[in-house]
Amino acid sequence: DIVMTQSPDSLAVSLGERATINCKSSQSIFYSAYNKNYVTWYQQKPGQPPKLLIYWASTREYGVPDRFSGSGSGTDFTLTISSLQAEDAAVYYCQQYYTNPITFGQGTRLEIK
Amino acid sequence: QVPLKESGPALVKPTQTLTLTCSFSGFSLSATGMGVGWIRQPPGKALEWLALIYWDDDKRYNPSLESRLTITKDTSRSQVVLTMANMAPVDTGTYFCARKPSSEGSAYSWFDLWGQGTLVAVSS
Repeated sequence: DIVMTQSPDSLAVSLGERATINCKSSQSIFYSAYNKNYVTWYQQKPGQPPKLLIYWASTREYGVPDRFSGSGSGTDFTLTISSLQAEDAAVYYCQQYYTNPITFGQGTRLEIK
Repeated sequence: QVPLKESGPALVKPTQTLTLTCSFSGFSLSATGMGVGWIRQPPGKALEWLALIYWDDDKRYNPSLESRLTITKDTSRSQVVLTMANMAPVDTGTYFCARKPSSEGSAYSWFDLWGQGTLVAVSS
């Protein structure tokens, strides 16, 4: 299985500041034939299902604010929230879809400082 | 209107078989590339993918649980059913169904629409 390891486990960021969440895969999830990285990011608030933010490592889902961006390649990926808003407090997960089984990171809890 | 909705028992006994139904609307599982998957989440823990069924009736399972899982679809009724045999207390959690969109270059992809989830407790 590809293990997805997120860091940090939790972080607290002030409103308007930048938040950065990292995700490292245990093997490369870049497929050269398609020139794509097979990673996605979700946001989950208490009592709600995950919400898709980013796919193909850096493609923002329709309707997701542009303060959310994804980057990285190979085994190292980053979700960045450029200017934190109060409604961004949540748990964030990365997920790889390169191979079976689909696997998720352990989650990163983002709090407002 | 909620695009996907899970239904099933809130409580099952150890060793019993769990049957969950995902009823969806707004899309067709007969559309090329489309799929519906199941993902679960123990209380306070991370997400775990269970199974995926595709528009062409191809099925994929998490190898760690494959012997216990069966996924089927009824396209005409817009439903996907997951059964999980031999339930144990460690299987307690919220079970989500979610849509896998068409995605060139990937058999698995991300999940773009999710149900609210159904909480299943396993206890005698």
